[in-house]
Order: sequence, then C-alpha cells, then structure tokens
Amino acid sequence: AQKVTQAQTEISVVEKEDVTLDCVYETRDTTYYLFWYKQPPSGELVFLIRRNSFDEQNEISGRYSWNFQKSTSSFNFTITASQVVDSAVYFCALIKAAGNKLTFGGGTRVLVKP
Amino acid sequence: DAMVIQNPRYQVTQFGKPVTLSCSQTLNHNVMYWYQQKSSQAPKLLFHYYDKDFNNEADTPDNFQSRRPNTSFCFLDIRSPGLGDAAMYLCATSGSGEGTDTQYFGPGTRLTVL
Repeated sequence: AQKVTQAQTEISVVEKEDVTLDCVYETRDTTYYLFWYKQPPSGELVFLIRRNSFDEQNEISGRYSWNFQKSTSSFNFTITASQVVDSAVYFCALIKAAGNKLTFGGGTRVLVKP
Repeated sequence: DAMVIQNPRYQVTQFGKPVTLSCSQTLNHNVMYWYQQKSSQAPKLLFHYYDKDFNNEADTPDNFQSRRPNTSFCFLDIRSPGLGDAAMYLCATSGSGEGTDTQYFGPGTRLTVL
C-alpha cells in the first residue's frame, strides 16, 4: 500500500519569508511518480510538478524549488520569498507507474500574511 | 487554451433530490476521473473512465453513478444526496491513465445539500 504524509497541517509566514513544505512517502514500487498540487481558495487543484522515481535532480521554477531524496523517501517543496498569492493548500501525491490512482497527502495550508 | 471545465461551480440540492454534475474537457484525454473532496481533506477518487470503460473504486457508494457519452464529457449523478454528500467534486483528466501521465483538474463543483 502507498502512503503520503504531510506532517505540517498549517504554516503561517509573513510575506517575503521562505517556507518549506515536507512530504514523506511510502511505496513498495520501484517506479513511481510524485506530484505537488496547489489548491487556492477557489478550489481548483493546480498542477505544479511531476517527478519520476529515477530522477533525483532538484528542480527550480521561479520562486518554487523541489528537493527529492529517495534515500529518505522525501519530496519537499520550498517557496522562496513568499507572496500573499501563495496562500493555498498544497498537496503532495504519489502514483505508481502502472497505476491510475493518486495517493494524496493530507495537505498543508500555507497562509502568507502581508 | 486546453482545459477541464466543470458546471455548475456551485450546486444546491435538497436531501434526496437527484443531482447531476458536469465535466467537459478540450484536452482530448482518454481518461476522466471524479474525485470527492470534503472540507479539510484530501481528494478521494470515486471512479474513472478509460475511454468508455468504467472503473469504480471499491468503497464508492452505489448512490454515485457516472456517465461518459463521448470523449469530451463526463457526468456525475448522485441519485439520492444525503447531508454527508456535501463536498467539492473535482473532475480530472489524463492522457493514458497511467502514472506516467499527469492528472489535470477542473475548478470543481461545490455541492450543498439542504
């Protein structure tokens, strides 16, 4: 069985601070994919990144960066210089290569105060 | 822009009165998914269609049905909504239905049951 744990339920920061969201996963599959989605108050789940289990390179996209460490089964997400528009719930998710069911973590609510 | 569209965005129904939620996509994806998301929880997969093949999750109540009349459209029917069915309903699509493909979500329909 697969499991994704996001230990932080809510994080509150002041604008321009950096914030790191933790994601730890469990799977017995050797090939799998990890995702991060953003859910703003409007409700839509917005795709941010997909990473496959064989690619441990960190990735940076603007103010967003992701750190994938297979040795610790973690796929952490950092927002640099946070902005009010970053306020949302962020979900980490896992899917096996031959599967079609996303396993979501519980989500982390990020509140960025001006 | 290619996208996933859900209508209506907000739906109010009465206890026991059937309701239908709609999803359409311009991505020409093979797979369409329906998720239920209750307040402060992660999305939960109800079922999905791979082309015309319907795949139900084992724990999805019989009260929930789905139809996919063509590639572009998929409907979620709730035959007799209960108070516990109040939730956000998210539609998603993916190309092949395998983990290699990203699932793209629509904006969701927020269902209220009175």
